[in-house]
Amino acid sequence: EVQLVQSGAEVKKPGESLKISCKASGYSFTSYWIGWVRLMPGKGLEWMGIIHAGDSDTRYSPSFQGQVSISVDTSISTAYLQWSSLKASDTAMYFCARQGGFNYPYWGQGTLVTVSS
Amino acid sequence: QSALTQPASVSGSPGQSITISCTGTSSDVGGYNYVSWYQQHPGKAPKLMIYDVSQRPSGVSNRFSGSKSGNTASLTISGLQAEDEADYYCSSFTSSSTFAFGGGTKLTVL
Repeated sequence: EVQLVQSGAEVKKPGESLKISCKASGYSFTSYWIGWVRLMPGKGLEWMGIIHAGDSDTRYSPSFQGQVSISVDTSISTAYLQWSSLKASDTAMYFCARQGGFNYPYWGQGTLVTVSS
Repeated sequence: QSALTQPASVSGSPGQSITISCTGTSSDVGGYNYVSWYQQHPGKAPKLMIYDVSQRPSGVSNRFSGSKSGNTASLTISGLQAEDEADYYCSSFTSSSTFAFGGGTKLTVL
């Protein structure tokens, strides 16, 4: 059974750094792309970017290029989403999702990130 | 502004059918048969309902169907049920080898 388990909720201050995780199991980790999706309060889903776990080929939405960094650690089948300097506007729920073809059939449970002074 | 345009809300009574549209461009919806639809209930992760325009994943009710004409894709839900009340998002692969979501449509079952 494919499972994506995300790290827990985070409360951070503006300017702080953060790395959230998405641990995969139940499939060959390095054979698939994993993506990250943002859901801001009262807004819709936003596709942020994807990474191929096998070769770390990474693609970002223009809206998120330079704002976040996506990476993987194949030794522990885990994908990451990272910020170097958080802003209040980064407050949102973040989902990881494993690609299957050109769609996302498997999703993590979400990680709530709150950025507040 | 979302890359793909959806109506903000639709509604229908139990048993009725509704259709949600998703309009893009020739660089996304119109250029590829890689449109998918997701259902999201509050506080839950999105669930894939339709992929590759009209394919249903195993376990998804056949009351859900998808289609595409030109730059517009559509999701139709027939025989509306109370449990169908949720937010629905379309998504498409794009010519930049990225993906885009629509702004989402809130379905209310009256």
